[in-house]
Amino acid sequence: DADVTQTPRNRITKTGKRIMLECSQTKGHDRMYWYRQDPGLGLRLIYYSFDVKDINKGEISDGYSVSRQAQAKFSLSLESAIPNQTALYFCATSDPTGLGTQYFGPGTRLLVL
Amino acid sequence: GEDVEQSLFLSVREGDSSVINCTYTDSSSTYLYWYKQEPGAGLQLLTYIFSNMDMKQDQRLTVLLNKKDKHLSLRIADTQTGDSAIYFCAEINNYQLIWGAGTKLIIKP
Repeated sequence: DADVTQTPRNRITKTGKRIMLECSQTKGHDRMYWYRQDPGLGLRLIYYSFDVKDINKGEISDGYSVSRQAQAKFSLSLESAIPNQTALYFCATSDPTGLGTQYFGPGTRLLVL
Repeated sequence: GEDVEQSLFLSVREGDSSVINCTYTDSSSTYLYWYKQEPGAGLQLLTYIFSNMDMKQDQRLTVLLNKKDKHLSLRIADTQTGDSAIYFCAEINNYQLIWGAGTKLIIKP
């Protein structure tokens, strides 16, 4: 079984709709991250959480919110989706050592019409 | 702010060596990383180098670090079709990874 799972894998929605992307991990890591990937822009950090009570904004948090329901679960919400939120979204985890290795989920491809 | 730069594309012939380059700005980074993203998949750590090293070799992969110029490179020897992917360079800064835009490696037959 995959260590980091994301649901759904693909989603098409309309402008103005609220959607939630979910992430679960079995690695036992405290730290979790949400990124979006756009062609030519690499990965940009949306939100990150270092434990259940710690939520931090990343580089591009506007238009997004997150919830850390448990150590293993970190969900990303788009309250009112807009077309420029069309992207590939990745969840990742890491352990708190200084090595910084992050483990990624398979991604959610989101299309906002 | 901190920045990591890499070119967007590299095209090489099968069997040749591929060299993917990256420049970074934070001289205090303790680790620098190369991640690989295969089509339709998430990113996976390929290799990393500690900042006090100049070179690290792992089978077909060689990482070179020039701290003076803040330049990192990844050499893939005997490039194969299975090496087709996007390669991301990243540095660590305050427990967060700062990512390059990724270099798409295209293999020509």
